[in-house]
Amino acid sequence: AQSVAQPEDQVNVAEGNPLTVKCTYSVSGNPYLFWYVQYPNRGLQFLLKYITGDNLVKGSYGFEAEFNKSQTSFHLKKPSALVSDSALYFCAFSRNDYKLSFGAGTTVTVRA
Amino acid sequence: DAGITQSPRHKVTETGTPVTLRCHQTENHRYMYWYRQDPGHGLRLIHYSYGVKDTDKGEVSDGYSVSRSKTEDFLLTLESATSSQTSVYFCAISEGGMEQYFGPGTRLTVT
Repeated sequence: AQSVAQPEDQVNVAEGNPLTVKCTYSVSGNPYLFWYVQYPNRGLQFLLKYITGDNLVKGSYGFEAEFNKSQTSFHLKKPSALVSDSALYFCAFSRNDYKLSFGAGTTVTVRA
Repeated sequence: DAGITQSPRHKVTETGTPVTLRCHQTENHRYMYWYRQDPGHGLRLIHYSYGVKDTDKGEVSDGYSVSRSKTEDFLLTLESATSSQTSVYFCAISEGGMEQYFGPGTRLTVT
């Protein structure tokens, strides 16, 4: 079955340090990949997407993600984390059928 | 939250009763979706709509039905609520760019 996986349930980093949230995919063909963030008691917010083209995608709030076809990964990164980045992050994919399938999510905690 | 409202925001109901959740958008987007969010599962698609009166099933559609009689409204009905349907329900909209925009969610508890 086609899917995305987020291998880490939790990521803890100190403020000012680099933040990486991992996502690997098992999707045939050319996957469309997404990152969303969910703050407590809120709906999901779109961060960025990879459709085609440049492997490095820049998104909202200083986040970026790198599409790596050889490693089937789409890791989310931020060079310098903020306490306000503490949230639940979801990787998702689409098969160009206007439906999204989500990973289980990674809780990020940034300590001051 | 991108012109999307959900009602009610919280609901407690008893097993066996029907429940209807409403999603309303002011963006005139074509696609609308219902998801449920449960710990360890991320979000799972229940049903979606690609136009007025055009709907299709998602991966966890058993026990749920939907209707879309107007572009702006997408209703999710639990025909006979069960405890396994206790969850947080999110509506989302899209205009075909594949990124989706989510409502604030409805927390449903079935006792």
